[in-house]
Amino acid sequence: DTGVSQNPRHKITKRGQNVTFRCDPISEHNRLYWYRQTLGQGPEFLTYFQNEAQLEKSRLLSDRFSAERPKGSFSTLEIQRTEQGDSAMYLCAIPRGVEAFFGQGTRLTVV
Amino acid sequence: GDSVTQMEGPVTLSEEAFLTINCTYTATGYPSLFWYVQYPGEGLQLLLKATKADDKGSNKGFEATYRKETTSFHLEKGSVQVSDSAVYFCALSDGGYSSASKIIFGSGTRLSIRP
Repeated sequence: DTGVSQNPRHKITKRGQNVTFRCDPISEHNRLYWYRQTLGQGPEFLTYFQNEAQLEKSRLLSDRFSAERPKGSFSTLEIQRTEQGDSAMYLCAIPRGVEAFFGQGTRLTVV
Repeated sequence: GDSVTQMEGPVTLSEEAFLTINCTYTATGYPSLFWYVQYPGEGLQLLLKATKADDKGSNKGFEATYRKETTSFHLEKGSVQVSDSAVYFCALSDGGYSSASKIIFGSGTRLSIRP
């Protein structure tokens, strides 16, 4: 069955702290995508992986953001020195046909 | 670059009313078009899709037709239910039919249905 597990589901952190999110596709997929969704907006593309290789990064992904997919399976997204503007839902997705299947997301609140 | 513009909400209707949520797009090439839905407390899920001009996507009583001449993909339902209350996102994939490329979303339309 196609599915994506994201952890944690919620994260509250103080401004300036580092946070890391994890995305685990239930089955193997070559491609994996990260999106960010702020309140009242649609998801915005951040980056994607083809196996271990990070092939595209949005200009939204500042140098405080880093993503990895070390074995071509799970992926992590780290935000360093968090800012209040980083508060959002971070979504992971895998392709299913021409569309994408999304995880439940990690909701980050920076206080 | 590619973009999606959709009707701003919120939209409030009575049960059994007719629903239209407008969506237009700008794209080079031949995108696939989607409607995604986000129910309260749940994740984003695909509602319907169309991959080429004049295709009609349908699911759960919702329909949308890929209109290349007007670059539109309006969502319609003949008789809405309270359970349809959700946020609806129009979206496109810029990679064409044979590849799974990144998806570009509209800003979403919040729909509320009164009993």
